[in-house]
Amino acid sequence: GAVVSQHPSWVICKSGTSVKIECRSLDFQATTMFWYRQFPKQSLMLMATSNEGSKATYEQGVEKDKFLINHASLTLSTLTVTSAHPEDSSFYICSASLAGAETQYFGPGTRLLVL
Amino acid sequence: ELKVEQNPLFLSMQEGKNYTIYCNYSTTSDRLYWYRQDPGKSLESLFVLLSNGAVKQEGRLMASLDTKARLSTLHITAAVHDLSATYFCAVDISGGGADGLTFGKGTHLIIQP
Repeated sequence: GAVVSQHPSWVICKSGTSVKIECRSLDFQATTMFWYRQFPKQSLMLMATSNEGSKATYEQGVEKDKFLINHASLTLSTLTVTSAHPEDSSFYICSASLAGAETQYFGPGTRLLVL
Repeated sequence: ELKVEQNPLFLSMQEGKNYTIYCNYSTTSDRLYWYRQDPGKSLESLFVLLSNGAVKQEGRLMASLDTKARLSTLHITAAVHDLSATYFCAVDISGGGADGLTFGKGTHLIIQP
């Protein structure tokens, strides 16, 4: 089946620094990639939708200047959390989809802790 | 705005028992997904339901979709401890994979020996 990887799997950073998370589709070219955020004991919330070569579409309430998304190729999307604060600590999960595919393929997630 | 409601949100049951998790959604959609999440892990895809009346089974789990009622169910038969996890349903309103998914709040399932 289709495999999506994320790197790093976990990261600890100081408040005020920026953190980049990579999402890669390993064995297919993804038409679209999605970024979700999950706070402890809560559900997943869609943050943004990313298409290769286009600007990402952000969900209401998600600051595009804080969560920078770059989708440079059909196999790689990156999420950069800029000037991270403790409230940004969360589990970030990406997914990737193919045009016409039945489902999205989820990555293993990146756990971010901002001190 | 699409809303996805699951119930119950928490379920503790004994091994060997049967139970059903319900997922209601507010907007027309014919794509519904069920996922399992273990603590500290990402999502594991369980079922993809793509049409009204779809029914899928895998082991002790069976999922169904009624698009007219905007309702999906996940039925657990003769539960075993290994099924303890959080189960999410999610809806794709675009029908073509172009939009992200809207998730229910999840059902935290504990199966006691």
